[in-house]
Amino acid sequence: KNQVEQSPQSLIILEGKNCTLQCNYTVSPFSNLRWYKQDTGRGPVSLTIMTFSENTKSNGRYTATLDADTKQSSLHITASQLSDSASYICVVSDNNDMRFGAGTRLTVKP
Amino acid sequence: GAVVSQHPSWVICKSGTSVKIECRSLDFQATTMFWYRQFPKQSLMLMATSNEGSKATYEQGVEKDKFLINHASLTLSTLTVTSAHPEDSSFYICSARRDLTYEQYFGPGTRLTVT
Repeated sequence: KNQVEQSPQSLIILEGKNCTLQCNYTVSPFSNLRWYKQDTGRGPVSLTIMTFSENTKSNGRYTATLDADTKQSSLHITASQLSDSASYICVVSDNNDMRFGAGTRLTVKP
Repeated sequence: GAVVSQHPSWVICKSGTSVKIECRSLDFQATTMFWYRQFPKQSLMLMATSNEGSKATYEQGVEKDKFLINHASLTLSTLTVTSAHPEDSSFYICSARRDLTYEQYFGPGTRLTVT
């Protein structure tokens, strides 16, 4: 069983709308949690990174939250744009390895 | 900012031939680099960890004789797919872990198609 579960698997929204992606993990010990954006045919690009003590981190229209007690994280995208269409990957690190979620494929339509 | 490049960005080769993919950290040193494979609509799967000056560590199920890794310097790691077969067709992504900060940066990926 994957130690990092993301939902939904895919999502379609209209341009300008907001959306929230979820990430639940069982990775232990916990070191940090990252959200990446991966455009089709490209490598992942880091959006946010959070450690145990951080609850929220923003990067422009992207806001990530972390609840280390319940082992849940979310990525909220505000005022979506067509260029937000991509896969969003949650990655949780223990002290040695990075554990990848399967990603959420977001499609933003005009 | 930290940049990782991969070359080539895409390659088509015939079955049975070998293909070399380069991963370079352009503006930082990386003693450790990672190689991933990604199939369509799936997440990245770690293939191996590459360490400068020593043998690579392969994940379970990855054939080390088929996927040769050479980490010749602090800024360059290469992955050679030997005797490629159509099932090796995939998107190969490397990442480099910056020595000073341990932050990991991904390359843009290489699309390999074996015909």
